[in-house]
Amino acid sequence: KAGVTQTPRYLIKTRGQQVTLSCSPISGHRSVSWYQQTPGQGLQFLFEYFSETQRNKGNFPGRFSGRQFSNSRSEMNVSTLELGDSALYLCASSLDQEAEQYFGPGTRLTVT
Amino acid sequence: GDSVTQMEGPVTLSEEAFLTINCTYTATGYPSLFWYVQYPGEGLQLLLKATKADDKGSNKGFEATYRKETTSFHLEKGSVQVSDSAVYFCALSDGPRGSNYKLTFGKGTLLTVNP
Repeated sequence: KAGVTQTPRYLIKTRGQQVTLSCSPISGHRSVSWYQQTPGQGLQFLFEYFSETQRNKGNFPGRFSGRQFSNSRSEMNVSTLELGDSALYLCASSLDQEAEQYFGPGTRLTVT
Repeated sequence: GDSVTQMEGPVTLSEEAFLTINCTYTATGYPSLFWYVQYPGEGLQLLLKATKADDKGSNKGFEATYRKETTSFHLEKGSVQVSDSAVYFCALSDGPRGSNYKLTFGKGTLLTVNP
């Protein structure tokens, strides 16, 4: 099976812009989660989607949003980018009712 | 809330040395516990897991035992290789299976193995 794929792998944006990141889960996986990884805060949970519904959300401002499509692909959007949003954004997928998550390679976002 | 504490790095070892990375957790209920590994420039890979007390997870020579009495899940390997150099993350999942699920991670431990 193909693994979790994320596009793009690298992005450079300017403060105030918005950005959309994409994640395609492993075939058959219906749950998609997003995490932010920074040197200072480590790995932090953003949100989790299942069957196009957000089931859980972390402590991030409303500028961070996401959605999931009927084919389980997911996107996350960050509006009005700030320098502090520079991070590696990781997507993970899992079969529901199981605790095991599989991660993609991440999207490296740099905000200048 | 839930939290994971793992030993601060970096950890530097010679090839074939014994490895221990300590991990303790705080959680309500009965979490599942994981070790993930991240190689430079890559995402996280699941190394091993344990879903209930006294379970031992193992993979690629690494082992960790779910100790409920000490709320610990220490990672061990008897003989490390240069290729084991990476960042290791301890993590737990909270909530009943299938609902309210997310991973809470420790800060990560950088392991460097020298030849």
